[in-house]
Amino acid sequence: EAGVAQSPRYKIIEKRQSVAFWCNPISGHATLYWYQQILGQGPKLLIQFQNNGVVDDSQLPKDRFSAERLKGVDSTLKIQPAKLEDSAVYLCASSLVGSHPLNEQFFGPGTRLTVL
Amino acid sequence: GENVEQHPSTLSVQEGDSAVIKCTYSDSASNYFPWYKQELGKRPQLIIDIRSNVGEKKDQRIAVTLNKTAKHFSLHITETQPEDSAVYFCAATDYNQGGKLIFGQGTELSVKP
Repeated sequence: EAGVAQSPRYKIIEKRQSVAFWCNPISGHATLYWYQQILGQGPKLLIQFQNNGVVDDSQLPKDRFSAERLKGVDSTLKIQPAKLEDSAVYLCASSLVGSHPLNEQFFGPGTRLTVL
Repeated sequence: GENVEQHPSTLSVQEGDSAVIKCTYSDSASNYFPWYKQELGKRPQLIIDIRSNVGEKKDQRIAVTLNKTAKHFSLHITETQPEDSAVYFCAATDYNQGGKLIFGQGTELSVKP
């Protein structure tokens, strides 16, 4: 089966600019996650969707980050305006329903963001 | 909320030796503990997981043990090979509460031929 797709793979912007990332989960996967992985650290969950509803966005910096999953399939994550500390790899993952042990989270290749 | 600590941050072993990576968690409600392997520049991939009703799980050369009382779990890799070289992440979650994974800081394993 096709995996989780993300684009772009790399993005370089200057601080205060805006940027958007796109994710297409595995077909049929109801749950979609966006993680931020800073160099040398483990992934940190930013937001979790169940279909097109938000399950958890407690660690999303809502003053600058936003995410949507309008039709319960693709999702976009936006940063506006970007800060230097936003430099990281943004990983999208999907699973059938939540993080039940029977429903593995599959990760996409990530988008590496560099903010100058 | 849950906090996961992972040790060591780097680990170097000779090919054929065993490697052990340890994690501790803080939330006693956590009941699912996956381990991910991330090769340089690639996506994390699940290699093994364990649920809280099991003390040990094995899959060929890798095994995971869980001590619920002490709130720690470990990854064991036997007969290491150069292709085992990667960053390994542990994670914990209460899958009855939405399944948000909390990851450890990662361990960079280097297997020297």
